[in-house]
Amino acid sequence: AQTVTQSQPEMSVQEAETVTLSCTYDTSENNYYLFWYKQPPSRQMILVIRQEAYKQQNATENRFSVNFQKAAKSFSLKISDSQLGDTAMYFCAHVSTGTYKYIFGTGTRLKVLA
Amino acid sequence: EAGVTQSPTHLIKTRGQQATLRCSPISGHTSVYWYQQALGLGLQFLLWYDEGEERNRGNFPPRFSGRQFPNYSSELNVNALELEDSALYLCASSLERSWNTQYFGPGTRLTVL
Repeated sequence: AQTVTQSQPEMSVQEAETVTLSCTYDTSENNYYLFWYKQPPSRQMILVIRQEAYKQQNATENRFSVNFQKAAKSFSLKISDSQLGDTAMYFCAHVSTGTYKYIFGTGTRLKVLA
Repeated sequence: EAGVTQSPTHLIKTRGQQATLRCSPISGHTSVYWYQQALGLGLQFLLWYDEGEERNRGNFPPRFSGRQFPNYSSELNVNALELEDSALYLCASSLERSWNTQYFGPGTRLTVL
């Protein structure tokens, strides 16, 4: 069965600092996609970053980057120069092109401190 | 461009009743997904509709069902409500194929008393 594990229920970081959120997954599929979604307090979930498993290059979106280790089945999110607006619940998600099921982790609540 | 919309925002029901939740996807999106977000459990995949057909469902009992209409909007029905069905129900839409980016709606908060 496919699973996604986020082992850090809560984290905090000082404004302007860097923080890394961890995510591990388990799958027997070869073709899949990985995502980080952000759910700010009382606001809608939005995509942060997306990674295709067949691409070795780590995805980057401005201050957000991932460390994708396919062999280790690890997909961590690094947030550089943290801003107060980054305070949110972050979900890691996996979908394989075979099962078509999105599997989400339980989330990491990140608080950016002023 | 209008985003994904869901109605109602809040829904209060009692045990044994039925609940109907609605979702309108972004224009041009043919896929609609439903998730249950219960406290402390993250998002649990419920259903995926594409082009009017149910393509996949998560590990939920048959009393969770839905449909997708010709205009790609969707409805989630929960029959015989139980207390543990209380949760935020999120709808998301995407272009065809489930590995495209999903765009989420604000959710419907269902409370079962």
